[in-house]
Amino acid sequence: GQNIDQPTEMTATEGAIVQINCTYQTSGFNGLFWYQQHAGEAPTFLSYNVLDGLEEKGRFSSFLSRSKGYSYLLLKELQMKDSASYLCAVTGAAKAAGNKLTFGGGTRVLVKP
Amino acid sequence: DTGVSQDPRHKITKRGQNVTFRCDPISEHNRLYWYRQTLGQGPEFLTYFQNEAQLEKSRLLSDRFSAERPKGSFSTLEIQRTEQGDSAMYLCASSDRASGSSYEQYFGPGTRLTVT
Repeated sequence: GQNIDQPTEMTATEGAIVQINCTYQTSGFNGLFWYQQHAGEAPTFLSYNVLDGLEEKGRFSSFLSRSKGYSYLLLKELQMKDSASYLCAVTGAAKAAGNKLTFGGGTRVLVKP
Repeated sequence: DTGVSQDPRHKITKRGQNVTFRCDPISEHNRLYWYRQTLGQGPEFLTYFQNEAQLEKSRLLSDRFSAERPKGSFSTLEIQRTEQGDSAMYLCASSDRASGSSYEQYFGPGTRLTVT
């Protein structure tokens, strides 16, 4: 089975940096995804990590440590529009699991002026 | 718009009724997934198709649930004898192995089901 944990909620100020942690325990691993989901909308892809290290994409960066079962999403220069839920998801062994995603409960980030 | 589309966007039904949802994936995506999401939670996997073959079903998918993808393009999800616990957002996603190693899944806007 798979178990994914992330904080329920975080609050940060516009212009600041927020780091959302995600820990996972899986029976197989073929990559970790971060998705952003605004209220009432579909999740949208932010990042994918399959190897250890940091992936940077504009204001967003994602880090993975497979040995620790740990990832984080770093949001820099926060904007009001970044207020959303951030979903950590893991995909298992490719052929066996069909790359289905197992999601954590999501972290709701509230950006204040 | 060439994204994933779902119909209807909202459905209110009475307990015991049957409902059917449709998902149109991104053209030529061979993989299609159904997930269910309740308020404040992450999506939960329900089932997965590769082309027209249903390759995996979650234990969450009781006998009242059935999904099809008859021609390997659009898919339908039917819930029979709906219960209040079925109230949720039903999300469809598609992916294409040819789009790279990430197997990124593109999600549709969802169908919000309310069972009264």
